[in-house]
Amino acid sequence: DVKVTQSSRYLVKRTGEKVFLECVQDMDHENMFWYRQDPGLGLRLIYFSYDVKMKEKGDIPEGYSVSREKKERFSLILESASTNQTSMYLCASSLLSRDTQYFGPGTRLTVL
Amino acid sequence: ELKVEQNPLFLSMQEGKNYTIYCNYSTTSDRLYWYRQDPGKSLESLFVLLSNGAVKQEGRLMASLDTKARLSTLHITAAVHDLSATYFCAVDGETSGSRLTFGEGTQLTVNP
Repeated sequence: DVKVTQSSRYLVKRTGEKVFLECVQDMDHENMFWYRQDPGLGLRLIYFSYDVKMKEKGDIPEGYSVSREKKERFSLILESASTNQTSMYLCASSLLSRDTQYFGPGTRLTVL
Repeated sequence: ELKVEQNPLFLSMQEGKNYTIYCNYSTTSDRLYWYRQDPGKSLESLFVLLSNGAVKQEGRLMASLDTKARLSTLHITAAVHDLSATYFCAVDGETSGSRLTFGEGTQLTVNP
């Protein structure tokens, strides 16, 4: 079974703090994704990566950056957290382009 | 821009009844996914529909895809309480590579 893990289930940060969300997958998948989920809006793609050190912007990249130094790990960085970044963040991975994406358990981030 | 719309967004039904969730999308696609999300949990892949006329069934759920109408349906037969969850469709546009665009989700409640 594919296993996608995220570093924290719940996180509370203050406005202006730098926040790191970590995601690890154990199935040697090429692609990794970061989404945020908000009520009534479904899931929106923030960034994705199709290879180590490669990244592409999704639909809502503003205020976020990402890092993929190793194939199994994909980090989402909030350089200066703001209250409108309070959300559920979901990481996903897929073996190849257009394959099924497998999701991690999510991190519920609250920015005060 | 690819848009994906689900309806209904909220569905309350009695055990034993049948119902259908609809997923419309705005541009050509030959690949559509259905996911399930339980409260407080992550997304679980249900079905991948890969071509026009594709039909997949698992238990009381059956999904179909009509690429000409840009429509997928998720049919629930003889609903049981365990099917209570939020169901998302997601579309992989033919030119979008690995990107998925999600619908808003349909929150299904099955009452005894």
